[in-house]
Amino acid sequence: DTAVSQTPKYLVTQMGNDKSIKCEQNLGHDTMYWYKQDSKKFLKIMFSYNNKELIINETVPNRFSPKSPDKAHLNLHINSLELGDSAVYFCASSQVEGGTTGELFFGEGSRLTVL
Amino acid sequence: GQQLNQNPQSMFIQEGEDVSMNCTSSSIFNTWLWYKQDPGEGPVLLIALYKAGELTSNGRLTAQFGITRKDSFLNISASIPSDVGIYFCARRAGGTSYGKLTFGQGTILTVHP
Repeated sequence: DTAVSQTPKYLVTQMGNDKSIKCEQNLGHDTMYWYKQDSKKFLKIMFSYNNKELIINETVPNRFSPKSPDKAHLNLHINSLELGDSAVYFCASSQVEGGTTGELFFGEGSRLTVL
Repeated sequence: GQQLNQNPQSMFIQEGEDVSMNCTSSSIFNTWLWYKQDPGEGPVLLIALYKAGELTSNGRLTAQFGITRKDSFLNISASIPSDVGIYFCARRAGGTSYGKLTFGQGTILTVHP
């Protein structure tokens, strides 16, 4: 069983389109995240939800809208895709906002390519 | 002030060699984390450090929390091909946002058999 699973793993689309990435965790964690990894492998947090409530919203364009229907799921919808949105998007989860160790459990990533 | 600088950016070594990498910052931290990202996978926590001067091992990996609280080191002994990947240092935000991690730029490790 995969602990944090994301779909799709690969996504190729045209500029201007709208796309979604889904994430599910079966670890029973309270908190879920979206991180973005750019072409230089730099990882940066985008959003964090704790028990369906948004708690971290970094300076991300409002074309990006996360949605958490329940604490096991956190989806990311992106409107009007731009070339600069091309990246690998990682979903992650943790127990109680990083718990005592700061351990986040990451999914395998969703590689988005905008043409 | 919150930026983490990792060195080296990449390493090419022979199997069996030892590896050393470090992470520095201008700010004082209370926690240092080391993650590894295998090719095509998400990062996985290797070692977490909580006290200045702390030395912690995880198999062939050893990490130290610098005494000044502004740096950390990760050593890998007797490298093997599966050590290939990107190693990230990270710090976590204080307050209630422990899950908000700031990552270093990463050290890309290549191990030749």
